[in-house]
Amino acid sequence: DQQVKQNSPSLSVQEGRISILNCDYTNSMFDYFLWYKKYPAEGPTFLISISSIKDKNEDGRFTVFLNKSAKHLSLHIVPSQPGDSAVYFCAGYGGSQGNLIFGKGTKLSVKP
Amino acid sequence: KAGVTQTPRYLIKTRGQQVTLSCSPISGHRSVSWYQQTPGQGLQFLFEYFSETQRNKGNFPGRFSGRQFSNSRSEMNVSTLELGDSALYLCASSWIGVGETQYFGPGTRLLVL
Repeated sequence: DQQVKQNSPSLSVQEGRISILNCDYTNSMFDYFLWYKKYPAEGPTFLISISSIKDKNEDGRFTVFLNKSAKHLSLHIVPSQPGDSAVYFCAGYGGSQGNLIFGKGTKLSVKP
Repeated sequence: KAGVTQTPRYLIKTRGQQVTLSCSPISGHRSVSWYQQTPGQGLQFLFEYFSETQRNKGNFPGRFSGRQFSNSRSEMNVSTLELGDSALYLCASSWIGVGETQYFGPGTRLLVL
């Protein structure tokens, strides 16, 4: 059972435009959602998180939106930059097992 | 401040062997979590240690085990290696644990032949 799903394996965006990365989940017991980005040959880097009691969290160019009724969250990057090109993972934390469940990632390519 | 370090960075083993991977967390961090990353399954949580105790565990067989020392350094052991254990093994550290900001190491790439 895949509790966290990122249905788009890849996304290509023009520099300066908005990138929207989507994530769906099935476990309604998640307390937090986190986004990580990963460059090749490096470990993931924490990007931004959101508590399940909020619907929006913003940090600079990155904003995460949470729609609990739809069990959907999205990461917006505005404006997108070529250095944002990486694989982005969303993850949910909480529930009975108390562990961190990751989606399979979306590869973002920002073209100059 | 030094980041999370993992040793070795690359490892080649054969089926049936065992392997031990090491992770040194950021100074002051008491929580160390281990993850397995494969192309097919993505990132999967293995287990978390906090103050030398396993606190959370993912859905992996008993061949995967770990421990944490009093200085918060952690080791992960995989016994009776299988071809499917070939993966990038990542560890992450944090002050409190899974759910807050975690800082990842570069990973150990294990190849099982």
